[in-house]
Amino acid sequence: AQKITQTQPGMFVQEKEAVTLDCTYDTSDPSYGLFWYKQPSSGEMIFLIYQGSYDQQNATEGRYSLNFQKARKSANLVISASQLGDSAMYFCAMRSMNYGGSQGNLIFGKGTKLSVKP
Amino acid sequence: EAGVAQSPRYKIIEKRQSVAFWCNPISGHATLYWYQQILGQGPKLLIQFQNNGVVDDSQLPKDRFSAERLKGVDSTLKIQPAKLEDSAVYLCASSLEWVNEQFFGPGTRLTVL
Repeated sequence: AQKITQTQPGMFVQEKEAVTLDCTYDTSDPSYGLFWYKQPSSGEMIFLIYQGSYDQQNATEGRYSLNFQKARKSANLVISASQLGDSAMYFCAMRSMNYGGSQGNLIFGKGTKLSVKP
Repeated sequence: EAGVAQSPRYKIIEKRQSVAFWCNPISGHATLYWYQQILGQGPKLLIQFQNNGVVDDSQLPKDRFSAERLKGVDSTLKIQPAKLEDSAVYLCASSLEWVNEQFFGPGTRLTVL
């Protein structure tokens, strides 16, 4: 069974500093995708970044980068130059990319609440 | 491009009452998902549609929850009768196909008293 673990219920970071949010996963599927979503207090889930299990390079999207360590089954999110607007819940998720599996079904972790201090 | 629309945004009912949520996915998106997000947890899939067919409803409490996607576009999720533990945010998401990125709507926050 697939599982996502986020061990940091809450994190604080000073504005303009970098922060790393931890995510470990467990799966027996050879092909899978890893995702990070941001959920502000308004409730909408906002897609941030995606990493495929066969991607050779770590994914980057603007100030977001994903530190993918396949052997350790970790997919940590790094936010550089934190801004006040980054304060939100952050969820790590994964899904199988195998046909015949739970196609498209995202498995989410419990999330990390990030607070950016001015 | 318009995003995923959901209504209502908030709903308060008493236990044993029924409630229905509506979702309009992004135009052209074949795959539609309903997730339940209980406070303090990540979303959990309830049901997944591919066009108007059900792909996965293994975690849908079928004795009280039902969902349909007529004509492969809009979808409704119904709870009848509601229980206290159904208090949650119900998120609708859609994707072009199941392999593509999922876009989420703003959610419906349900409170069961």
